[in-house]
Amino acid sequence: ETGVTQSPTHLIKTRGQQVTLRCSSQSGHNTVSWYQQALGQGPQFIFQYYREEENGRGNFPPRFSGLQFPNYSSELNVNALELDDSALYLCASSSVTGSSYNEQFFGPGTRLTVL
Amino acid sequence: ELKVEQNPLFLSMQEGKNYTIYCNYSTTSDRLYWYRQDPGKSLESLFVLLSNGAVKQEGRLMASLDTKARLSTLHITAAVHDLSATYFCAVGGETSGSRLTFGEGTQLTVNP
Repeated sequence: ETGVTQSPTHLIKTRGQQVTLRCSSQSGHNTVSWYQQALGQGPQFIFQYYREEENGRGNFPPRFSGLQFPNYSSELNVNALELDDSALYLCASSSVTGSSYNEQFFGPGTRLTVL
Repeated sequence: ELKVEQNPLFLSMQEGKNYTIYCNYSTTSDRLYWYRQDPGKSLESLFVLLSNGAVKQEGRLMASLDTKARLSTLHITAAVHDLSATYFCAVGGETSGSRLTFGEGTQLTVNP
């Protein structure tokens, strides 16, 4: 069984640029959630994708956007990067059974540094 | 808005000692999770607690849940250096999608 994978591992961008982060969900999972973890803090929920549509969003501006593909993999796009976007970005996958959401499993994360 | 508070935020303890980390949350929730995070790494799932009175143990760690008090505890027994890490509790609901609300984390250092 393949776990959650993310790419790239590390990324350095400059303020104002755009970035795309990628996530492949665990086999059998159909839901992907993205979290931002700033240094020394707990992860903050960005949004979740289910059946290729956004299904819940945290307190993040519209310049944070995403996609989910038919194979359940996902992208997180961030436009107009700001210094405060520097963080570890975590992807988590889970499965939905009926109306019940099952445990999430986290990927290794992408460390984004904005200069 | 759901809030999750952990205490202490920093914990330094000697090997062989016992200690408890507390996690309080502000609204009713279906599920509580405990995760471990090593520096620069992702989150490792430790426990999933689904009902009032649930208790789970793995090695030197034991987690419990009191939904009436909106409190979960992570108890460490006879700590060893390998337990040094940051521990997070997270609250989610079966009906809230897979959105988790995390505490700030407890940075545990176990000294020889």
